[in-house]
Amino acid sequence: AQRVTQPEKLLSVFKGAPVELKCNYSYSGSPELFWYVQYSRQRLQLLLRHISRESIKGFTADLNKGETSFHLKKPFAQEEDSAMYYCALSGRPGGGNKLTFGTGTQLKVEL
Amino acid sequence: NAGVTQTPKFRILKIGQSMTLQCTQDMNHNYMYWYRQDPGMGLKLIYYSVGAGITDKGEVPNGYNVSRSTTEDFPLRLELAAPSQTSVYFCASPTPSGEAFFGQGTRLTVV
Repeated sequence: AQRVTQPEKLLSVFKGAPVELKCNYSYSGSPELFWYVQYSRQRLQLLLRHISRESIKGFTADLNKGETSFHLKKPFAQEEDSAMYYCALSGRPGGGNKLTFGTGTQLKVEL
Repeated sequence: NAGVTQTPKFRILKIGQSMTLQCTQDMNHNYMYWYRQDPGMGLKLIYYSVGAGITDKGEVPNGYNVSRSTTEDFPLRLELAAPSQTSVYFCASPTPSGEAFFGQGTRLTVV
């Protein structure tokens, strides 16, 4: 069974401070990991995926297979980063195997 | 290109009533999902489909039914609404590379 754990329901940081949203997963094979974001009154959208190894809006995430983690990081938080963040796992390339989501972390960036 | 379109945006049902949540995608994707989002619980998969004519249960299918007669449409049916089905419902459809496009959500209240 695949499982995604996001231990923090709420993370509050000051503007300009570093951000780390934690995500741990459980899966027996080689998963694909994603971060999705939901801004206020908007639909869920993909932020980044591990396979792309890219930085989006200053966010990065590295897949650590040893620690089964995929933490989301940003060196300097901005007010517009305030949103709900979901870590998600797919057990099959292409996402054809249903995406499993974590419970989400609400990021609040304070001035 | 509309992506994933869900209707209605809001609905209030009385206990025992039935309704259908509509979901349409114009991206010619094979996969489509229905999730429900409850506070602090993340997104739970209700049903999913890997192609027209094929559907399967997710984590929380009880009380729901789906059909997939065409590639574009994946309606979710509630036959006998219960207060426990009060939630926000999301339809999603992933690309072959795994990026899931979400609908805008349906906020359902059962009273």
